[in-house]
Amino acid sequence: AQSVAQPEDQVNVAEGNPLTVKCTYSVSGNPYLFWYVQYPNRGLQFLLKYITGDNLVKGSYGFEAEFNKSQTSFHLKKPSALVSDSALYFCAVRDLDNNAGNMLTFGGGTRLMVKP
Amino acid sequence: EPEVTQTPSHQVTQMGQEVILRCVPISNHLYFYWYRQILGQKVEFLVSFYNNEISEKSEIFDDQFSVERPDGSNFTLKIRSTKLEDSAMYFCASSDRTDTGNQPQHFGDGTRLSIL
Repeated sequence: AQSVAQPEDQVNVAEGNPLTVKCTYSVSGNPYLFWYVQYPNRGLQFLLKYITGDNLVKGSYGFEAEFNKSQTSFHLKKPSALVSDSALYFCAVRDLDNNAGNMLTFGGGTRLMVKP
Repeated sequence: EPEVTQTPSHQVTQMGQEVILRCVPISNHLYFYWYRQILGQKVEFLVSFYNNEISEKSEIFDDQFSVERPDGSNFTLKIRSTKLEDSAMYFCASSDRTDTGNQPQHFGDGTRLSIL
């Protein structure tokens, strides 16, 4: 079975400071990893994905994420946070090799609060 | 940018009644999904649909649930006899060809279903 853990319910950061939102995953095969962001009263908006290749992937709005196979982690990062980055962030995984189909398994979400 | 649209944004229904949630996926996408998010909990996969049939479903998707693509644009989720525990935000998603599973799923803004 595939699973995702986001150990922090909330992350607080000052505007202009770097941010990290943590995610660890568990799959039996190779993972496809995704980050989504949810603004109030909106759906999940795709930010970035890791499939293969470089461990550092870049996505929308200046976000990036680093895949670490040995630590089974896929932490979301941004060098300089904006107040407008405040939202709910979800990490998701798909296990291609375990015949899990196209279903995504989501973490519980992390609320990012960026203060001016 | 093309979007997944869902209607209604909020549906209030008496327990035991049937409800149909509607979605218009992105027009050139081939894979369709329903997820739900009970308040304060994780986003959970319900079902995926490809080539006019269910390709996979979770244990949540029992006989009370059904999906249909009645025409070339709509994708619906029907709950036959709603229960209180069906109250949740329901998200529709669609994705492009996924023979390698790496196409991101694009989500609608959701329908909030409230069962009284």
